[in-house]
Amino acid sequence: DGGITQSPKYLFRKEGQNVTLSCEQNLNHDAMYWYRQDPGQGLRLIYYSQIVNDFQKGDIAEGYSVSREKKESFPLTVTSAQKNPTAFYLCASSMVQIGQLKNIQYFGAGTRLSVL
Amino acid sequence: AQSVTQLDSQVPVFEEAPVELRCNYSSSVSVYLFWYVQYPNQGLQLLLKYLSGSTLVKGINGFEAEFNKSQTSFHLRKPSVHISDTAEYFCAVSDRGGAQKLVFGQGTRLTINP
Repeated sequence: DGGITQSPKYLFRKEGQNVTLSCEQNLNHDAMYWYRQDPGQGLRLIYYSQIVNDFQKGDIAEGYSVSREKKESFPLTVTSAQKNPTAFYLCASSMVQIGQLKNIQYFGAGTRLSVL
Repeated sequence: AQSVTQLDSQVPVFEEAPVELRCNYSSSVSVYLFWYVQYPNQGLQLLLKYLSGSTLVKGINGFEAEFNKSQTSFHLRKPSVHISDTAEYFCAVSDRGGAQKLVFGQGTRLTINP
């Protein structure tokens, strides 16, 4: 089955610890995105990548880092600099086609991160 | 910068009643518009999209939305709701050019009562 797999489903972070959230897609999509969801605030873009080895900051990138070494993978690291990391994190991907419909984003099932 | 306003944070409706979830966006340029649905502890599923053409868009699960350019609105409707429609609904907008990042509204929680 084609889709986006996020792991783990639940993650706990201790003070001062970096944690990495996994996102893998087998849809052959070029672009991948990370969003943070907090109650009553909708989704906010953390980072996005339109091509391998390139990524851009979104609206709330501080305290996060990403890499895009492979087309199918876009891991997100929540660093100790992120002082309020408790949230639901969603990964998405989309096709990038010149001159065609773009950016229908498909989402994974999410990772819920909590601080111990 | 783009912004999206969902005018109701919560909408309670009785089963088999009609429902409208309101969405307004701010943009002076052409946009793509989307409605997503999120069931508890799950990711987002695309309900419908407006890209071009007819302003009335039909989606999955009997939902439809109407694009109104003059009012910069994209309200979601369903003529008769079911218990299984209980979920959170998000309106989103993206520019047609550039990186086409999605900007989301705050969400509307639809609760269907028997």
